[in-house]
Amino acid sequence: RKEVEQDPGPFNVPEGATVAFNCTYSNSASQSFFWYRQDCRKEPKLLMSVYSSGNEDGRFTAQLNRASQYISLLIRDSKLSDSATYLCVVKHDYKLSFGAGTTVTVRA
Amino acid sequence: ETGVTQTPRHLVMGMTNKKSLKCEQHLGHNAMYWYKQSAKKPLELMFVYNFKEQTENNSVPSRFSPECPNSSHLFLHLHTLQPEDSALYLCASSQDPGGAYEQYFGPGTRLTVT
Repeated sequence: RKEVEQDPGPFNVPEGATVAFNCTYSNSASQSFFWYRQDCRKEPKLLMSVYSSGNEDGRFTAQLNRASQYISLLIRDSKLSDSATYLCVVKHDYKLSFGAGTTVTVRA
Repeated sequence: ETGVTQTPRHLVMGMTNKKSLKCEQHLGHNAMYWYKQSAKKPLELMFVYNFKEQTENNSVPSRFSPECPNSSHLFLHLHTLQPEDSALYLCASSQDPGGAYEQYFGPGTRLTVT
C-alpha cells in the first residue's frame, strides 16, 4: 500500500467554482500534514500546513481526519492561477512522504 | 525565488559518464535533502543530511553518491546511470529535519540518461 494516495485528477473547473479533493495516508503515527503546490515544470512550494482542527488560508481550506486517515483541500472561488498540481505531504519523524499529486485546471 | 539553487538545470549524460549535481542553500538551514521525481510518481526521498551528517539513505543504488561538505552545499555524484534514472532531481533544505518545518525546494535538475 502506498504511504500517501491521491486522486490524480485532473479536476477541470470553471473560474469561480469550488473544487475539493482528498488524500489518504497509511501511517497512523504520522505527525504533521501539509499541502504543497507544484506548477508545471517547477519545484514544489508549501501551500499550507494542515492542523487537526482544520484551517483556512484565504480561499483555501484544509481538513484533517485522523480517525479515517485522510486530508482534504478545498479551493473556493477558483482562479486561473490556481491551476497546478497539489501534493499531499505527510510527515513521520523527519521523513516527508509525498503523494503523486492531484492536478487542477481552472478554465476561463 | 527560493533560497535554494541547483546546477545544472538540465543534464544529458550517457550511461558511462560521470557527472555531479550541485545544490546550495542560502537560508541558514541545517538539513538538506535529495529527492527524485519521475513522471506521474510521488517524490522519492533519496538522502537526508542533518548538520552535514547523512541520516538517511533510502535504499538508493550506489551509482548515486551524495556529498555534503558543509551545511550550505550538497552534491549528488552520478556514475554508470541507467535510462530509468532519467528524472527531475530536487534538492531541498529545512531548518532541521526533526520538526514540522517547511522544506524549501530548489528548481531541480532535469536529468536524461541516454
